[in-house]
Amino acid sequence: AQSVTQLGSHVSVSEGALVLLRCNYSSSVPPYLFWYVQYPNQGLQLLLKYTTGATLVKGINGFEAEFKKSETSFHLTKPSAHMSDAAEYFCAVSRSSSNTGKLIFGQGTTLQVKP
Amino acid sequence: DADVTQTPRNRITKTGKRIMLECSQTKGHDRMYWYRQDPGLGLRLIYYSFDVKDINKGEISDGYSVSRQAQAKFSLSLESAIPNQTALYFCATSDLAGTGYTFGSGTRLTVV
Repeated sequence: AQSVTQLGSHVSVSEGALVLLRCNYSSSVPPYLFWYVQYPNQGLQLLLKYTTGATLVKGINGFEAEFKKSETSFHLTKPSAHMSDAAEYFCAVSRSSSNTGKLIFGQGTTLQVKP
Repeated sequence: DADVTQTPRNRITKTGKRIMLECSQTKGHDRMYWYRQDPGLGLRLIYYSFDVKDINKGEISDGYSVSRQAQAKFSLSLESAIPNQTALYFCATSDLAGTGYTFGSGTRLTVV
């Protein structure tokens, strides 16, 4: 079975500070990992994803995430927060096979950016 | 036009009423999904379909049913709506490899 845990339902940072949103997963097979962002009253937007290859993945808006198999983690980072980064962030995991491929989400982390 | 279109965008309905949420896609994907989003719970899978003849329950299927009318259409029904089904509902499609998912804009459902 697959599951995703996002540590911290709310994270608050100052503008210009490092953003770190934590995600740990459990999977019986090598996972495909995703980060989505949801701005207020909007749908989901893909930030980045890891499927195979390089474990450091760069996404949109200056975000990146690193797949660490030994730690079963896929934490999302951004060096310098902007006010426009305030949103809810979701980590998700899937894996392709004839019996899986379902995208399973974490509970979400709300990022607050203070001026 | 959006790749995944959900109708309606917003709906208020009364307890006990039957309601259908519709989803259509132009991605050409075989796989389609229905999720509901609740604050603090993320998105939870209600039903999924890997092709027209394959329908599967997700983690929270009680009180819901689905119909896959064609490759491009996947509808979610609430046979007798109750207030705790008030939520934001998303339809999604994916490629066969499971590496790309496309979401609709969501349907905000309120049951009063």
